[in-house]
Amino acid sequence: GAVVSQHPSWVICKSGTSVKIECRSLDFQATTMFWYRQFPKQSLMLMATSNEGSKATYEQGVEKDKFLINHASLTLSTLTVTSAHPEDSSFYICSALTGTLYEQYFGPGTRLTVT
Amino acid sequence: GQNIDQPTEMTATEGAIVQINCTYQTSGFNGLFWYQQHAGEAPTFLSYNVLDGLEEKGRFSSFLSRSKGYSYLLLKELQMKDSASYLCAVRDTDTGRRALTFGSGTRLQVQP
Repeated sequence: GAVVSQHPSWVICKSGTSVKIECRSLDFQATTMFWYRQFPKQSLMLMATSNEGSKATYEQGVEKDKFLINHASLTLSTLTVTSAHPEDSSFYICSALTGTLYEQYFGPGTRLTVT
Repeated sequence: GQNIDQPTEMTATEGAIVQINCTYQTSGFNGLFWYQQHAGEAPTFLSYNVLDGLEEKGRFSSFLSRSKGYSYLLLKELQMKDSASYLCAVRDTDTGRRALTFGSGTRLQVQP
């Protein structure tokens, strides 16, 4: 099956700093990638849809200037959490979509802790 | 908008059968997915239904009734490793929106 990687798998940063999370499709080209956030014991909440070569589409309530998304190639999307605060601490998961609409392939997630 | 409901927690015994229900209300419909998620890990795909009926895949089966906005995931011959959260997710048909909307998940505890 298709493989999606995320880096880093976990990160601890200080409040006010920025953190970049990478999402890569390893053996297929992903025209679309999605970024989700999951708080403890809650379900996945879609943050934004990232299309290669175009601006990301953000869900209502997600600050686009705080969560910068870049989808520069068909195999890489990045999420940068700018000026992180403790309330941004969460599990960030990306998924990638192929040309078909059958299923999304999820990355292993990135655990962000802001101190 | 979309609304997806599933039970919060369930408990079952090793070797038994458990059914996890999911009801949904969506403005459009283009498929229902079930994912398994162990604590601290990303979801893994289990099943996909877009037409009414039962889809079977080994110990896992998923059923869909579009007219009733209802699906269930059936797990047979439960094993301890099946203890996880099970997420029901729906894809709608809104223009340009191919993301999934997830239910809150059902935490399944399998007991010896």
